[in-house]
Amino acid sequence: AQSVTQLGSHVSVSEGALVLLRCNYSSSVPPYLFWYVQYPNQGLQLLLKYTSAATLVKGINGFEAEFKKSETSFHLTKPSAHMSDAAEYFCAVSDRFTGGGNKLTFGTGTQLKVEL
Amino acid sequence: ETGVTQTPRHLVMGMTNKKSLKCEQHLGHNAMYWYKQSAKKPLELMFVYNFKEQTENNSVPSRFSPECPNSSHLFLHLHTLQPEDSALYLCASSYTPGTGATNYGYTFGSGTRLTVV
Repeated sequence: AQSVTQLGSHVSVSEGALVLLRCNYSSSVPPYLFWYVQYPNQGLQLLLKYTSAATLVKGINGFEAEFKKSETSFHLTKPSAHMSDAAEYFCAVSDRFTGGGNKLTFGTGTQLKVEL
Repeated sequence: ETGVTQTPRHLVMGMTNKKSLKCEQHLGHNAMYWYKQSAKKPLELMFVYNFKEQTENNSVPSRFSPECPNSSHLFLHLHTLQPEDSALYLCASSYTPGTGATNYGYTFGSGTRLTVV
């Protein structure tokens, strides 16, 4: 069964600083990988996804992530944090060969705080 | 507007009440999901439906009863809940692999915040 581990339940950065949120996955087959963001009292919004095309994936709001098979990682980055980036971020993995539904398994989330 | 609409946004119910959560999508997706989000815990997949047929029940207690009358609508019927069932219930939809779609990933609703008293 696939799983994801998000290192650091809370990350704090200064406005304008680099954002790095870590995600490592475990899967027996090449997976699909996703990053979602959740603002307070909202559902989850897709930031970006990796589905075996380019290993460097660009998403919305200036975020990007790089799939590294050798490290089983899919870390999320943004060059310059903005106050509006403060939210909770979830990494998720899907076994692309799952029949029936496209089941996503989520990490425990990382709360990003952006300080002035 | 996310494309997936959940109602109500907030619900307070007693342990003996019966209530239903509703989810609706008009994105042309053929898979729908219920997730439970509790504080300090990972998102828990509850149910998966594909083409209105249930394909996954993740050992959910019978006090939660899903219903999917068509690919656009999903309900979660609740009865005799416990206080520990208080959580944010999220509905999502997606395309199903193997149907020719390549746009994978879920679209989530805003959730129903459920409080059981």
